[in-house]
Amino acid sequence: DQQVKQNSPSLSVQEGRISILNCDYTNSMFDYFLWYKKYPAEGPTFLISISSIKDKNEDGRFTVFLNKSAKHLSLHIVPSQPGDSAVYFCAASKDFGNEKLTFGTGTRLTIIP
Amino acid sequence: DAGVIQSPRHEVTEMGQEVTLRCKPISGHDYLFWYRQTMMRGLELLIYFNNNVPIDDSGMPEDRFSAKMPNASFSTLKIQPSEPRDSAVYFCASSLHGGEQFFGPGTRLTVL
Repeated sequence: DQQVKQNSPSLSVQEGRISILNCDYTNSMFDYFLWYKKYPAEGPTFLISISSIKDKNEDGRFTVFLNKSAKHLSLHIVPSQPGDSAVYFCAASKDFGNEKLTFGTGTRLTIIP
Repeated sequence: DAGVIQSPRHEVTEMGQEVTLRCKPISGHDYLFWYRQTMMRGLELLIYFNNNVPIDDSGMPEDRFSAKMPNASFSTLKIQPSEPRDSAVYFCASSLHGGEQFFGPGTRLTVL
């Protein structure tokens, strides 16, 4: 039973355009959401997070939007750069904690030069 | 500053054999996590420790899997006996006081 879902296994975007990665969750107890980025042969690295008390969090080119009523979050990357090509994992947790994270299956983003 | 260290990076074994994966967390970190990555299920949390004590092992798939943390700088994940469906990438991560998790490079396990 996948509580965090990333329905798009892959996404290709032209360099300079906006990349939008989507994530849906089913557990209404989740209150903290994170995005991790993973390059080949490396472990995932933390990218950005958002608490359920907010609906938007921005960090440079990266913005995460949270729609609690729809149980949906998205990661926007503007402008997209070739170095953004990676697998992106959405994760969620309860009690605003970082310990027990539930991850999605990932979306492979390819930025086309 | 060394990050999380995992060994081996690749492991190929035959069904029925015992497999031991190793992890050295970042020095000073008090949380350690073991994850498994597969195409179908993504990243799954198997077990995590706080101050060397297992806190939640509800993600451990079967009794064939066991994990130990004998001290603050070393942990093992053991599979005995291994099966082909255990083939996956296994990640170890560590964090300080439950903050951001830092992942190791992973061990790619292939069970033939």
